[in-house]
Amino acid sequence: EVQLVESGGSLVQPGGSLKLSCVASGFTFSNYWMDWVRQTPGKSLEWIGEINTDGSKTNYAPSIKDRFTISRDNAKSTLYLQMSNVKSDDTAIYYCTRNDGSPFDYWGQGVMVTVSS
Amino acid sequence: ETTVTQSPASLSMAVGEKVSISCKTSTDIDDDMNWYQQKSGEAPKLLISEGNTLRPGVPSRFSSSGYGTDFVFTINNVLLGDEGIYYCQQSDNVPFTFGSGTKLEIK
Repeated sequence: EVQLVESGGSLVQPGGSLKLSCVASGFTFSNYWMDWVRQTPGKSLEWIGEINTDGSKTNYAPSIKDRFTISRDNAKSTLYLQMSNVKSDDTAIYYCTRNDGSPFDYWGQGVMVTVSS
Repeated sequence: ETTVTQSPASLSMAVGEKVSISCKTSTDIDDDMNWYQQKSGEAPKLLISEGNTLRPGVPSRFSSSGYGTDFVFTINNVLLGDEGIYYCQQSDNVPFTFGSGTKLEIK
């Protein structure tokens, strides 16, 4: 059974940093691109970015470029999202997703990040 | 960036009725459109992927059509368990973008 389990969400002050993790199981993690998607309270979904299978290539949404960094550790089957210089608009539920050739076929349960002073 | 315009924002349907949701894209995306269902308190679930392909285990009551810039998602014989929010998402080009969602209520 495919499982994606995020962790690391918390309350963080504006301008601060936070690192989210996503542990994958039930499939060969190193064979798949992985993505992060977020959902702001009461609003729609926003794609944050993606990373290729060996971690050598990433793509990001313009809204977070240069502030967020996606990385992975295939030996640990873990995906990461390093968030820096966070803003109130970054308050959201963050989902780790498996990228099945661009559709997101599996999602984690999500982790809440709140940016507030 | 490809903008995805989804309508309507909400629907209220009776059990057994047919549901139709539209998504229009600002650029030609071939058939690279995906559809998700999100129930309250849960993560989105992929129902239909590129090429109007029904995902394994998804009932055939769900379907989609469209190519280029105009897409339609359909639920035939809607059930109480179909309540939730439905999203379209284009996967033709980055940044991948989602529609604003359609909230489906079953009367």
